[in-house]
Amino acid sequence: QSALTQPPSASGSPGQSVTISCTGTSSDVGKYNYVSWYQQHPGKAPKLMIYEVNKRPSGVPDRFSGSKSGNTASLTVSGLQAEDEADYYCCSFGGSSPFGTGTKVTVL
Amino acid sequence: EVQLVESGGGLVQPGGSLRLSCAASGVTFTTSWFNWVRQAPGKGLEWVASINQDGSQKYYVDTVKGRFTISRDNDKNSLYLQMNSLRAEDMAVYYCATDIGYFTLDYWGQGTLVTVSS
Repeated sequence: QSALTQPPSASGSPGQSVTISCTGTSSDVGKYNYVSWYQQHPGKAPKLMIYEVNKRPSGVPDRFSGSKSGNTASLTVSGLQAEDEADYYCCSFGGSSPFGTGTKVTVL
Repeated sequence: EVQLVESGGGLVQPGGSLRLSCAASGVTFTTSWFNWVRQAPGKGLEWVASINQDGSQKYYVDTVKGRFTISRDNDKNSLYLQMNSLRAEDMAVYYCATDIGYFTLDYWGQGTLVTVSS
């Protein structure tokens, strides 16, 4: 089973919003509300940003939000800040390859 | 404060073995699922293996089945990954991570690098 599909890159200017998609199948993203998103800065460990589609762990800014429609989940970062520049990975329960392919977000 | 500290990585020849360890603190170890996740240089995240609270359930990605073994010692608050018959494609940073359920990985270690090369 293939990894979940994400666009390789996304970008936005400071203060703007960027949305990253994560496309799976009816066996993973479409079936379960267990989609999570991770932020990874270069040389650092991933950090949980969103879980169960749209819940934020304590300490994660409310600029980060998640949603899902059918087999596609999305992460939106509003009010982009320089520190949001990182790689982002989605993850879903249900598949043998739970992680997405990753999206590099650039703040212009 | 939750801390996960991996160790045991290093340089190994193809066909060799390594045992990774992950020491956990600040987490209720005996009630936590754990995972190993790896990241090859310049590549994305790949789930490797999972283990439940008492070690009775273990799951592996197909590419490591029969070669890697995940285990835990609840008395020592430690997670392990025994890696045998290592291949070039196993070269990666290996992270341990706690799992609050359904592949939601809430805490991660800093990772340990495994290099497979002759």
